[in-house]
Amino acid sequence: DTGVSQNPRHKITKRGQNVTFRCDPISEHNRLYWYRQTLGQGPEFLTYFQNEAQLEKSRLLSDRFSAERPKGSFSTLEIQRTEQGDSAMYLCASSSGGTTDTQYFGPGTRLTVL
Amino acid sequence: GQQLNQSPQSMFIQEGEDVSMNCTSSSIFNTWLWYKQEPGEGPVLLIALYKAGELTSNGRLTAQFGITRKDSFLNISASIPSDVGIYFCAGLSGANSKLTFGKGITLSVRP
Repeated sequence: DTGVSQNPRHKITKRGQNVTFRCDPISEHNRLYWYRQTLGQGPEFLTYFQNEAQLEKSRLLSDRFSAERPKGSFSTLEIQRTEQGDSAMYLCASSSGGTTDTQYFGPGTRLTVL
Repeated sequence: GQQLNQSPQSMFIQEGEDVSMNCTSSSIFNTWLWYKQEPGEGPVLLIALYKAGELTSNGRLTAQFGITRKDSFLNISASIPSDVGIYFCAGLSGANSKLTFGKGITLSVRP
């Protein structure tokens, strides 16, 4: 399978714990995006990388959130001191950039904070 | 901020019927994308539109990029039960790389 992959698919944690999600983009794509989706809403942009550089962060990305893409391939999204409001689907997408920049999504990680 | 408007929130059709979905914006977009999402999964790209006025088909799906660059529509012809899902429009402004999504339309198909 050469699509975007995400792990884990589901994560249940207690409030106050730290969690980390991983995204592996389509291999030739140099752009990687993180989105968050809550029930009944469309995905909302969190941040994106061009290769290893983090180029933009949304105001939704509080200080408790950090994302990395150390070698320009896979990316991790960490949430520290989770809160119940962090419960959502976290989606990763990748694209090859350029003028069309079509983004392809992974299956997502469903986070539930108890 | 930018918003995409999709309505109604839900649509119920009979198998075999055609259905049309609209997406409008107060802002201009350079790219329009249509995605379908099923429960517990990520959005799957259906059609991408890159030029104003462009009309593109993908099997039974047809989508158009509005001339004003502020709207797009998606048509599904001869619907089948597996068309059930949530259909999202998304726009890319070109000023940055983040997609702006609508709230989605939940499509139900009665056999």
